[in-house]
Order: sequence, then C-alpha cells, then structure tokens
Amino acid sequence: DADVTQTPRNRITKTGKRIMLECSQTKGHDRMYWYRQDPGLGLRLIYYSFDVKDINKGEISDGYSVSRQAQAKFSLSLESAIPNQTALYFCATSDPDRNFNYGYTFGSGTRLTVV
Amino acid sequence: AQSVTQLDSQVPVFEEAPVELRCNYSSSVSVYLFWYVQYPNQGLQLLLKYLSGSTLVESINGFEAEFNKSQTSFHLRKPSVHISDTAEYFCAVREYTDKLIFGTGTRLQVFP
Repeated sequence: DADVTQTPRNRITKTGKRIMLECSQTKGHDRMYWYRQDPGLGLRLIYYSFDVKDINKGEISDGYSVSRQAQAKFSLSLESAIPNQTALYFCATSDPDRNFNYGYTFGSGTRLTVV
Repeated sequence: AQSVTQLDSQVPVFEEAPVELRCNYSSSVSVYLFWYVQYPNQGLQLLLKYLSGSTLVESINGFEAEFNKSQTSFHLRKPSVHISDTAEYFCAVREYTDKLIFGTGTRLQVFP
C-alpha cells in the first residue's frame, strides 16, 4: 500500500455541489498539507495541519475547508464547487522532528473537474 | 516571504544531450532547497535536496544541483539525459515553518 493515499483518483462534479477529497497516511507523520496544481502555476498551498488540533490556511484557502479527523487523515472539502477549482490536488506529509531530511511524501493526486 | 522562480517553463532536448533546469530563490535567511520530479500521471517524488554542507548535491539517477548563495540559485543539471527523464521538475524552498514553496515547474521533454 502507498504511504499516502488519496481518494478518489478522478472526480467530475457539477458546479455548486459539495465534494470531499480524502487523504490518509501510514507514515505516522504529524504534518499534513493540501496543494493544488495548475498548469503554469506549479503547486500552491491550500491548507496545512501540524497536528490534529492545528489547522492553518495556506495561500489559496478561499472556497475550501479541511478536517483533520486523526493523525492519519486529512480531508479537503469544496463546499460549493466552481469551475476554476478544476485542478490536480495533492496531499503531502512531513515530520521534520523524526525525519531530518525535511522532505515531503506526496500522494498520487486527485484530478478534479468541475463542470 | 520566500519565493522560487523557475525561468523555463519547457526545455526540449535530444537524448544524450546535457541539460540545465534553472531555479532562483529569494530568501533572507538560511534555506533548505529541493528538486522534485513528477512523471506523467504520478505524484511528486523527491529528487535531491540541499540542507547544509557541500554545495553540490547528487541524485541516484545522475542529476546534480549546486547551491550558489551569492547568486541565490539552485540549478539542476544532468550531463546526458535519457528518454525516461521526460517529466516535470519542480524546485522548492522550505520556509522556517516547514512549508514548502514551489516554483511553477519546468517540463523537460527528451526526444530520441
């Protein structure tokens, strides 16, 4: 099994619908992140969480919300999806206290299309 | 705030040719720098990183990057590319809060 699992892998939804993207990890890492990737814009941080009780907005949090249900689970919600939220979404984890290489572990991504 | 600039959005090269993917960062404090690679339809994988020490860092598949503090650069190089190196490459800088700030990516296309 993958260290960081994202579900679903692909999703098409209609404008105005609520949708949840899920992320679970087996790394035992405290820190989790949600990024979106758009062509020509790279990866931009939506939300991040340094532990279960710590949730922080990233640079593009408007229109999104998150829930850290447990150390291993971090969900991203679009309350009312709009077409410009069509993108590739990545979840990532890190644990600099135990894993001193400061690298992130990424999931395989969720491709979301809002029509 | 820290930022990362990748000057080339696309780099086409022929197989066995050398390649350089450019990355410049802005930071007023010590930095940790990374290169990630994204193969088609996959997530991002760590390629190499600079944390401290030797300014030249290498990956297991022949890439290398040199940290140049005076030029605030961390360019990625490979002396001879292969078809399988075709991918998108992202440079990133770690903020003091452990957030990674990514560049916009460079798509490397290797032609036979």
